[in-house]
Amino acid sequence: NAGVMQNPRHLVRRRGQEARLRCSPMKGHSHVYWYRQLPEEGLKFMVYLQKENIIDESGMPKERFSAEFPKEGPSILRIQQVVRGDSAAYFCASSPQRQGADTQYFGPGTRLTVL
Amino acid sequence: AQSVSQHNHHVILSEAASLELGCNYSYGGTVNLFWYVQYPGQHLQLLLKYFSGDPLVKGIKGFEAEFIKSKFSFNLRKPSVQWSDTAEYFCAVTQTGANNLFFGTGTRLTVIP
Repeated sequence: NAGVMQNPRHLVRRRGQEARLRCSPMKGHSHVYWYRQLPEEGLKFMVYLQKENIIDESGMPKERFSAEFPKEGPSILRIQQVVRGDSAAYFCASSPQRQGADTQYFGPGTRLTVL
Repeated sequence: AQSVSQHNHHVILSEAASLELGCNYSYGGTVNLFWYVQYPGQHLQLLLKYFSGDPLVKGIKGFEAEFIKSKFSFNLRKPSVQWSDTAEYFCAVTQTGANNLFFGTGTRLTVIP
């Protein structure tokens, strides 16, 4: 059973470009979570999605960031018009049930560098 | 405000030394507690978790953690560390029924052979 897959592992963008980060949850998992880890900090929750629904986006910046988890295909975290402060590691996690009753399994992360 | 504190930022130990990493949280109500490990170049892996029951939890690779509710603590321990334990360790907390984990800033452990 493959784990949580994220691609790309490393992404370099220039200021003003768009970044698209992909996450394929573990087989059988229908809950996806995105976290961001800034340098020297712990992971910070961004958004929680189920198939075709955003359940909790309380950690998402109000502008430029969006997330989706379509019926088919991976979850996508999209950052428009990236700025240097967006440079971070972005981790995706999945669980078979809602987090309150289960454990999240993490992907390897995507390291975004904004030049 | 909700928070998770890991007071040790970097710990350096010799092989066979005992390890204790502190984790304190500031939430009311029922919580679920986790320790994750991130080996160099790898993704986060679950070491152990506490949901309910015996407050002394045993995890993989000889790690254990004790939930002390009165102290809002969930310290990680290992009686004898190995060089392969060199990694970053993250404590995480979620309130029962909540959607997300709150992470501490992590503790980097370096084990010297």
